[in-house]
Amino acid sequence: RKEVEQDPGPFNVPEGATVAFNCTYSNSASQSFFWYRQDCRKEPKLLMSVYSSGNEDGRFTAQLNRASQYISLLIRDSKLSDSATYLCVVLSYNTDKLIFGTGTRLQVFP
Amino acid sequence: NAGVTQTPKFQVLKTGQSMTLQCAQDMNHNSMYWYRQDPGMGLRLIYYSASEGTTDKGEVPNGYNVSRLNKREFSLRLESAAPSQTSVYFCASSEPRQGRYNEQFFGPGTRLTVL
Repeated sequence: RKEVEQDPGPFNVPEGATVAFNCTYSNSASQSFFWYRQDCRKEPKLLMSVYSSGNEDGRFTAQLNRASQYISLLIRDSKLSDSATYLCVVLSYNTDKLIFGTGTRLQVFP
Repeated sequence: NAGVTQTPKFQVLKTGQSMTLQCAQDMNHNSMYWYRQDPGMGLRLIYYSASEGTTDKGEVPNGYNVSRLNKREFSLRLESAAPSQTSVYFCASSEPRQGRYNEQFFGPGTRLTVL
């Protein structure tokens, strides 16, 4: 079983739609969680950290459910520019090594 | 600031050839990393360096060597390239702080094809 699992998609949604991605992780001792964004043929960039209480950054909301070991990302009012691959990332317990999911591809159409 | 730079951007090798991928960062970060990204596999850590003068194996180190030349530069060497090493290679850097995660910044990547 992979340490971090994501639905690869693609998720095809119209502009203005709300879309949600989930991600599960296997190591219950994991402490820190993140969403990175990767545009086609580009490098990954940090989108947001995921805090236990949930957190919001504009149209983006991240949630963590430790009991079920999953992380979610909600995007409201999707824009064409949101089209990208979203990587779920977990910080390996007691290290600074990141464990990456394979990514979920989002395509927003007009 | 350029951030993290990588050279070359593209490379085609024949099986058995050797090459070195270069990475440099100008953010004064202590930690540097090399990853490879393959379809359906996600990014996987090859080697990392927690500070100048130290290197450690990651998840997939076989077939690679690294050198942390100084604080700025971290190179990845393929001594005898194999088709299985066809991939996109990303270098990253960060400044970890105890008890708190610090973002990893990635370079633009090197697309390597081994024939």
